[in-house]
Formats: sequence, C-alpha cells, structure tokens
Amino acid sequence: SQQGEEDPQALSIQEGENATMNCSYKTSINNLQWYRQNSGRGLVHLILIRSNEREKHSGRLRVTLDTSKKSSSLLITASRAADTASYFCATGMNRDDKIIFGKGTRLHILP
Amino acid sequence: DGGITQSPKYLFRKEGQNVTLSCEQNLNHDAMYWYRQDPGQGLRLIYYSQIVNDFQKGDIAEGYSVSREKKESFPLTVTSAQKNPTAFYLCASSIANANTGELFFGEGSRLTVL
Repeated sequence: SQQGEEDPQALSIQEGENATMNCSYKTSINNLQWYRQNSGRGLVHLILIRSNEREKHSGRLRVTLDTSKKSSSLLITASRAADTASYFCATGMNRDDKIIFGKGTRLHILP
Repeated sequence: DGGITQSPKYLFRKEGQNVTLSCEQNLNHDAMYWYRQDPGQGLRLIYYSQIVNDFQKGDIAEGYSVSREKKESFPLTVTSAQKNPTAFYLCASSIANANTGELFFGEGSRLTVL
C-alpha cells in the first residue's frame, strides 16, 4: 500500500531557482522523512520531521508538515546541477514499525 | 567505513531458478528491511526484521523468503514462485524501530530474469 504521494511526478527548473515538491498521505503518522535517490543508486536520508513539528531546516533544505492537511513540502533553495535526482517522502505510522514510501518526484536541474 | 553492502550489484536469472541476494551491515543496527523498486516507482516493502531470528511480511512478500540468523545479515531469496521478479532490490537498516529514525540503504541489486 502506498501511503505517500508526491507531486509533481517530474520537475525541471533552471539552476539557481528554488524547487518545491509536495507529499500527501492518508493516515496518521509518527514522522515523515524525505530521501534522495540518484539514478541506479540507493536512497540517502535528507531530513526527518516529527508529527509535532511544523518546519525544519537543513542547509538548503526546508521541510514543512501540516498534519491537519496530511501534507508535507520539501523546498530546495538555490538549486544546483548536483541536485538532479528523485526525491521520496516516507511516512512512519503509529501502529507499526514500517516505513512506507511514495512514488517520488524526479527533479532535473537545467544548466 | 560503516555501512550496508549488497551483492551482487547485477544478477541474471533464468525462469524457474531461485536466487539469493545478500545484505550485510556493520552499523550494529537491530532492524533490517528489503524493498523492491520498479522503474519510475516508489519502494514497496517485501520483508522486515526488528531482531535476530524474527521477521515480518511486508506488503509484497509472496514469492520471497528471508532469514535473520545473524544481526549483521538479512539475505533475501527470490523464489520461482515470484511471477515478475525483474526489479531493483534495496536493503536498508535502522537503529531500532523505523518510526524513530532514518533508514540507511545499500546500493541495490538489479535482478533481471531472462
């Protein structure tokens, strides 16, 4: 079962612009995480936000969480070519130990 | 360096054959996970294990089997019962309950059935 759904599915922006990706989920969560995946590689953890937090920053990343709307957003500021990758949200649910991933947003930074 | 090692990176299999994918971690993590990823798709959970000698089915366990005899190792067997096994397989680990923190991933194993 897919818990998170990212939007858009694909995004192309010019280098230096900001990139925003959204994630919606269906059931109550304990935390929400964002991961990055370069083509053909494993996933790398970017940031975790807990259900009682509303915003979190890490370098050029800003994550928000709105539990009333069951949604989160990931903002990458001042994008670079190296940011080209797929980005996934993943939710940890209260009732069990599983982390469920969405289908991801493919981000392409144009030079 | 600490991390998760998956092998082989690429694997080809004939229909009807079982194949075992290796996953080893030296992070001293209790929990380990196997995910399947199809092209353009997210990750789907196959099996997970929170402790040695115990594991639970994920969302798509049919046609797969696992064992957890050692804390460091969580091999996945793709059996001939798996109808569409061609995919990218990812192993991950976490300190304890995945709800408490991040997953650490290996580099994946790409299985192709000929």
